[in-house]
Amino acid sequence: GNSVTQMEGPVTLSEEAFLTINCTYTATGYPSLFWYVQYPGEGLQLLLKATKADDKGSNKGFEATYRKETTSFHLEKGSVQVSDSAVYFCALPTSGTYKYIFGTGTRLKVLA
Amino acid sequence: NAGVTQTPKFRVLKTGQSMTLLCAQDMNHEYMYWYRQDPGMGLRLIHYSVGEGTTAKGEVPDGYNVSRLKKQNFLLGLESAAPSQTSVYFCASRSGGLAGGTSNTGELFFGEGSRLTVL
Repeated sequence: GNSVTQMEGPVTLSEEAFLTINCTYTATGYPSLFWYVQYPGEGLQLLLKATKADDKGSNKGFEATYRKETTSFHLEKGSVQVSDSAVYFCALPTSGTYKYIFGTGTRLKVLA
Repeated sequence: NAGVTQTPKFRVLKTGQSMTLLCAQDMNHEYMYWYRQDPGMGLRLIHYSVGEGTTAKGEVPDGYNVSRLKKQNFLLGLESAAPSQTSVYFCASRSGGLAGGTSNTGELFFGEGSRLTVL
């Protein structure tokens, strides 16, 4: 079945540093891939997604490229801000069902 | 824009007590989900519903029951709460077909969470 593995946190960076959060997956076929973000005290919200191989999703300065050869969907941002401090989840659908699988989440803390 | 609303947001129970969490969405979504979030374990699916009057088990259904009597509401019940059910519970909804299909955007809309403590 489908699965997702996400790098463990927490990740602590200084403001304006470069961010990478790794996500790899196993899946049947080429499902859509998602990154969700959870700000403190809130529910998850969609950050970006990619619907097919080699697609790049982007939003709020974050980017992730759907790489089928390495089965990865790493999240990147060139210059993080304090306001990016949150927990980030990689997710993908379970093929042929109505369900989604989430990674364990990576907590990011950005220091001023 | 209400989106997905969960009530209550906080609750403390004693072992053996019962309670119901209510999830309401105003987006006319067909699919609704209940997840629990625990440290180091990400989100785990408890139950889900693909339409009014239907429910199905997720990864960790034991100890929980659900009902979807109205399309906009999805209730999660704990009949006899246990300390292992201390968690943050999230409801989510979406539109469209199969999770990996092309007929939907795939986006899940989440509530703000309900923090439950069982003593």
